[in-house]
Amino acid sequence: DVKVTQSSRYLVKRTGEKVFLECVQDMDHENMFWYRQDPGLGLRLIYFSYDVKMKEKGDIPEGYSVSREKKERFSLILESASTNQTSMYLCASSLSGQGPDTQYFGPGTRLTVL
Amino acid sequence: LAKTTQPISMDSYEGQEVNITCSHNNIATNDYITWYQQFPSQGPRFIIQGYKTKVTNEVASLFIPADRKSSTLSLPRVSLSDTAVYYCLVTETGANNLFFGTGTRLTVIP
Repeated sequence: DVKVTQSSRYLVKRTGEKVFLECVQDMDHENMFWYRQDPGLGLRLIYFSYDVKMKEKGDIPEGYSVSREKKERFSLILESASTNQTSMYLCASSLSGQGPDTQYFGPGTRLTVL
Repeated sequence: LAKTTQPISMDSYEGQEVNITCSHNNIATNDYITWYQQFPSQGPRFIIQGYKTKVTNEVASLFIPADRKSSTLSLPRVSLSDTAVYYCLVTETGANNLFFGTGTRLTVIP
């Protein structure tokens, strides 16, 4: 089975702090994604990466950056956390080139910014 | 991205068959229909995917009519553990951007 792990299940940070969310997948997938999930809004794509050192903006990239130095690892960075970034963050990965995309998700990180 | 519309919530008793219908009027020729399931405090999990007619796996069945403007996820004999949010997505081959929407919250009642 594909395994996608995220560094923390719960995280509490203060406004203005720099926050790193780490995601690791063990199935050699080319594509990796970061979403946030908020009540009533569903999942919204923040950034995705289709290769090492490559990144693409999703629907809501403002206030976030990403890093992909190794194929298995995709990091989401909040340069200066704000209270409106309190949310559930979900990482996912998928394999390229095998028909329509099927994404495998991690358990999520619930981030609270005070 | 083709937009999907599905009911916000559904209730069902244990042991019943549950059908969740999704409409996707603007589906394109290259699009597939994919369903995900999400339990509380977990990430979504792929359930089933199809292009046309019927697809069945160990978890569910997916019915897609000839015009492909809608699809129905069928869960046979649901149990309490099937309580979750179910998302219908239209996914284009090779595309990376999936639109999840708000899904259908299924509650199974004892």
